[in-house]
Amino acid sequence: NAGVTQTPKFQVLKTGQSMTLQCAQDMNHNSMYWYRQDPGMGLRLIYYSASEGTTDKGEVPNGYNVSRLNKREFSLRLESAAPSQTSVYFCASSEGEFTEAFFGQGTRLTVV
Amino acid sequence: DAKTTQPPSMDCAEGRAANLPCNHSTISGNEYVYWYRQIHSQGPQYIIHGLKNNETNEMASLIITEDRKSSTLILPHATLRDTAVYYCIGDSSASKIIFGSGTRLSIRP
Repeated sequence: NAGVTQTPKFQVLKTGQSMTLQCAQDMNHNSMYWYRQDPGMGLRLIYYSASEGTTDKGEVPNGYNVSRLNKREFSLRLESAAPSQTSVYFCASSEGEFTEAFFGQGTRLTVV
Repeated sequence: DAKTTQPPSMDCAEGRAANLPCNHSTISGNEYVYWYRQIHSQGPQYIIHGLKNNETNEMASLIITEDRKSSTLILPHATLRDTAVYYCIGDSSASKIIFGSGTRLSIRP
């Protein structure tokens, strides 16, 4: 099984450009999450989706939008990238509350 | 979600047991304690979780105090591959997972 797959793995953007980070899971999980991790720091929750059709803000949602396209896919969009959004982005999924989460390998985004 | 407190760093000799403490004094009755680790720059990896009772799996043991205000993750025979940042998380029923700053564990050869 692939688990949680993120695309792309690396991306360089210019300030003001937009892009969408893609995430897909093949474990039939209900919940999905987007995190960012700045160098030397812990993970911060951007948005999460407890179930298909619902999304909620996490700790640091400003500058991002999300779409839970279907049960498998949860995308993260940067409408106008800023250098402060340079980070590693992780997607995760879980069956739901009280269950463990599985993480993708990350997307390394640099905004210049 | 309960706020958790962990030491920023620890080290342990290879082959010895690594005991990682976590304080979660504000944890509520329905909140589980989860442990994850992150090796280098990979995605975090689930280790173990528990509510009240001590738990053990193939990776580690989790000891939760009777008052549930603190817990200890035990890696029984640490190896160099256990070098990682370890995160303790108090998770409520809100289906969101909030990470703290974790403990950076270094294993000495």
